[in-house]
Amino acid sequence: IAGITQAPTSQILAAGRRMTLRCTQDMRHNAMYWYRQDLGLGLRLIHYSNTAGTTGKGEVPDGYSVSRANTDDFPLTLASAVPSQTSVYFCASSDSLRGSIDGYTFGSGTRLTVV
Amino acid sequence: QQPVQSPQAVILREGEDAVINCSSSKALYSVHWYRQKHGEAPVFLMILLKGGEQKGHDKISASFNEKKQQSSLYLTASQLSYSGTYFCGTVHRGSTLGRLYFGRGTQLTVWP
Repeated sequence: IAGITQAPTSQILAAGRRMTLRCTQDMRHNAMYWYRQDLGLGLRLIHYSNTAGTTGKGEVPDGYSVSRANTDDFPLTLASAVPSQTSVYFCASSDSLRGSIDGYTFGSGTRLTVV
Repeated sequence: QQPVQSPQAVILREGEDAVINCSSSKALYSVHWYRQKHGEAPVFLMILLKGGEQKGHDKISASFNEKKQQSSLYLTASQLSYSGTYFCGTVHRGSTLGRLYFGRGTQLTVWP
């Protein structure tokens, strides 16, 4: 089934540790995104990539980095985790060349707790 | 840049109607609507690309007023399966194509 795979599903992480959240899609979408979801705040864009080799900052990029070495993978790295990064992280993709007519496809999310 | 949704929460009986509103302070290229069930990922419902456009999805439809930078989602004769949190997402005119800013969501609960 075509879609987005995120790993891990959940993680408890000690503050100060480094962590990479993985995201892989098999739909050959050009654009990929990372969102964090916090209660009452909705989905906020962390970083995005419109095509392999390019990335950009979203609304809340501080403390996060991304890379886009190929079309399928878009990992999100927390260099030194802090408790305020406790959240549910969603990876999403869209066929931006079609103007996102088909909307975004979301992964199932990673629930991260930083203690 | 985040659009504003209202109301924050709606409680309905099965068969009742509801309207969820989404407004932006920026000129819009498009508006998306998504539904998220508890513990699951958001699921795309529809996109509105042109001012005045109305689209339908079963008994769920939406309109887009480009001039007012607003969109509304209409849920008619609600079913138990409509329960969830509804998010609008906006793409700003002139911005990077496809970049979506989501509202904070409207929690819809449908009771039998």
